[in-house]
Amino acid sequence: DTGVSQDPRHKITKRGQNVTFRCDPISEHNRLYWYRQTLGQGPEFLTYFQNEAQLEKSRLLSDRFSAERPKGSFSTLEIQRTEQGDSAMYLCASSLAWSSRKGTEAFFGQGTRLTVV
Amino acid sequence: GIQVEQSPPDLILQEGANSTLRCNFSDSVNNLQWFHQNPWGQLINLFYIPSGTKQNGRLSATTVATERYSLLYISSSQTTDSGVYFCGGSQGNLIFGKGTKLSVKP
Repeated sequence: DTGVSQDPRHKITKRGQNVTFRCDPISEHNRLYWYRQTLGQGPEFLTYFQNEAQLEKSRLLSDRFSAERPKGSFSTLEIQRTEQGDSAMYLCASSLAWSSRKGTEAFFGQGTRLTVV
Repeated sequence: GIQVEQSPPDLILQEGANSTLRCNFSDSVNNLQWFHQNPWGQLINLFYIPSGTKQNGRLSATTVATERYSLLYISSSQTTDSGVYFCGGSQGNLIFGKGTKLSVKP
């Protein structure tokens, strides 16, 4: 397994456009997380899935943001009508669920850097 | 949700010095991890340490779960240790502190 993979690595978009990011987790991991990170800050939690179920969404996640994990494998994060304030690094992570005897260590992808102009 | 606080926010060291980074969390966690963020933004796993002590080369970490803190020790620091170190605590999803920016001078 090559780890968590995110695509694209970089995205420049005009304000008002929609963008979609993809995350492929480590294959045996049933949990998948999305975070956003701006300059000088720690990653901020957005949402997470266990298998295909979206278990938690942060209040940071406005109505313009939607995430899916339709078959419990890869996930997509879509931002509609992008704003300049959406410019950030979007990070995806995966882990096993807490009940796993292997533990719940999370591993991160390389991130997608979004710039809204 | 839990709050995670890291200290110090910035740390400047001379190469060869030792350092201790601290992470306090406001409630009990079932997962505690330390990461180093590389210049390209990727979070590199250092330790998965819900409790106890672990060592990996010049780095070691200790989590005292009952007192809700974790420490990351860096010994004989090198310039390549520079960067931002994050801890994350979890009751379900990882919540991060604001990080410690470490600069190691030659």
